[in-house]
Amino acid sequence: DGGITQSPKYLFRKEGQNVTLSCEQNLNHDAMYWYRQDPGQGLRLIYYSQIVNDFQKGDIAEGYSVSREKKESFPLTVTSAQKNPTAFYLCASSALDRVYGYTFGSGTRLTVV
Amino acid sequence: EDKVVQSPLSLVVHEGDTVTLNCSYEVTNFRSLLWYKQEKKAPTFLFMLTSSGIEKKSGRLSSILDKKELFSILNITATQTGDSAVYLCAVGTGNQFYFGTGTSLTVIP
Repeated sequence: DGGITQSPKYLFRKEGQNVTLSCEQNLNHDAMYWYRQDPGQGLRLIYYSQIVNDFQKGDIAEGYSVSREKKESFPLTVTSAQKNPTAFYLCASSALDRVYGYTFGSGTRLTVV
Repeated sequence: EDKVVQSPLSLVVHEGDTVTLNCSYEVTNFRSLLWYKQEKKAPTFLFMLTSSGIEKKSGRLSSILDKKELFSILNITATQTGDSAVYLCAVGTGNQFYFGTGTSLTVIP
């Protein structure tokens, strides 16, 4: 079955550490996205990519980095520069024209301890 | 600035009630409006709306878009406890989808 796989489901990070969240899709989608979800704030776009080796900042990119070396993969690194990283992170993908909207992964809940 | 506003933020109803969730938007280059249902994890797709006045329907759920007044509503009739979730509205433009904060619906038995 086609879909998006995010891992891990839960992640704990110590302050000052970088962590990487994985996102893999086998839908042959060109576009991939990372969103952050906080209570009462909906989904906010961190980064998106429409083609391999290219990506753009979203509304809240500070403290995050991404790479897109393969069409299927779009990992997100939460760096120590991100001051409040505790949140629920959702990865999504779509065809370039976004006609059918997004397909979402099941999310990663990151907690700073 | 592109924005999507959903109301109410939360709603508590009894089983069997009918609810209406609202989504208004201000975006440049509108392409589509989507409704998602989120229960704990990944949002699941409900409807995509691109044309005004055409109702989309799936069982007890229905939705309609008004592109002149820039809003959409999601109706749920004869609510059940399984309808309890956060309902997200997303508006698609040329580059991305903008999400509202969601409406949290709780259906009490």
